[in-house]
Amino acid sequence: AQRVTQPEKLLSVFKGAPVELKCNYSYSGSPELFWYVQYSRQRLQLLLRHISRESIKGFTADLNKGETSFHLKKPFAQEEDSAMYYCALTQGGSEKLVFGKGTKLTVNP
Amino acid sequence: GAVVSQHPSRVICKSGTSVKIECRSLDFQATTMFWYRQFPKQSLMLMATSNEGSKATYEQGVEKDKFLINHASLTLSTLTVTSAHPEDSSFYICSATPGLGYNEQFFGPGTRLTVL
Repeated sequence: AQRVTQPEKLLSVFKGAPVELKCNYSYSGSPELFWYVQYSRQRLQLLLRHISRESIKGFTADLNKGETSFHLKKPFAQEEDSAMYYCALTQGGSEKLVFGKGTKLTVNP
Repeated sequence: GAVVSQHPSRVICKSGTSVKIECRSLDFQATTMFWYRQFPKQSLMLMATSNEGSKATYEQGVEKDKFLINHASLTLSTLTVTSAHPEDSSFYICSATPGLGYNEQFFGPGTRLTVL
């Protein structure tokens, strides 16, 4: 069965420091990978998806099929990046999302 | 951007009663809507997939008679928690997608259900 693993429940960095949120997946086919973000008291929203290969709010994520990873990175974290981040995948054309357990990122001043 | 609303945002009910939660896509037609449940400090768990005009598809372990889903139109899906019990207390979130190969899901703000 497909699975998304985010090994860190909590991640704390200082403003200006690089940040990497880890995500590993297990799926035998060709999944589509996503990062969703939930800011405090706000709804879940899409941050980026691997097929777009774009940078959003300074975040990037590269799909590494060999390591089955889709880590989210930002070179210089900002306080407004503090949020809950969820990695998710859809499988082979399906619209169903499978979520990881999420990582709470705190960026300290 | 695409907006999804949920109503109510919070509901408190007595054990044994039924509660209906609405999910609406405000500015697009949603061929598919999803219902999730989120426990405190945990991830979202998909409960069911709802397609307009057809029966919902429930995930393994989700009681279809307990959680009734109706997707009556391309902009509205409802989740009814029947004969609610305290263990049904949770945060329920819906999402909607326009479909047609565009599989980004747009999420509602969620509904906090408390069963006394």
